[in-house]
Amino acid sequence: EIVLTQSPGTLSLSPGERATLSCRASQTVTDRHVAWYQQKPGQAPRPLIYDASKRATGIPDRFSGSGSGTDFTLTITRLEPEDFAVYYCQQYGSSPWTFGHGTTVEIK
Amino acid sequence: EVQLEQSGAEVKKPGESLKISCKASGYSFSTNWIAWVRQMPGKGLEWMGIIYPGDSDTKYSPSFQGQVTISADKSISTAYLQWSSLKASDTAMYYCARRNDVWGSFYLDYWGQGTLVTVSS
Repeated sequence: EIVLTQSPGTLSLSPGERATLSCRASQTVTDRHVAWYQQKPGQAPRPLIYDASKRATGIPDRFSGSGSGTDFTLTITRLEPEDFAVYYCQQYGSSPWTFGHGTTVEIK
Repeated sequence: EVQLEQSGAEVKKPGESLKISCKASGYSFSTNWIAWVRQMPGKGLEWMGIIYPGDSDTKYSPSFQGQVTISADKSISTAYLQWSSLKASDTAMYYCARRNDVWGSFYLDYWGQGTLVTVSS
């Protein structure tokens, strides 16, 4: 099973700042099959990025994904107040699918 | 509009059985895999397994194999997650989610609102 390690565990930033979240896989993820999800308290996760760098429907362009192999990154260029949440990466290149443990982006 | 409507919160005792549901609408239910994801209190997301409603082909995460049963009834566009004997450690929020099946981009594109299962004596 592929283990995904997300870092940092918590990111303390101010609105308008840039957020860079990392997701490292224990093995190569096939075909860049990595997705990123955002989850706010009391809500279901929402897809942001799939195939490492493609934005899901309705996702603003301040969200971008990059990476390949074992290292993947989610970048939020200018944090808006609604972006403070928990972010999870997920790989769907190999069964069983796995999620990272999440990065919390909190207001500084 | 694609929607996944999950059944309501449950409070059960250890040893009891339970079946929760996820009713799909707005697309052809038989043609997209449906996944189940667990989120224990204050914790992250865990992929439990996935089913193809067209033929009920099912795959489980090794962590959940033998612990739960995933099924689907395509005649009523509903997927299910069931337990035969609940434990306190099954207390969690459970989400169903549709797998996007376009061009091999198999991410989870639509999610249900979640079903909270509480197991307590």
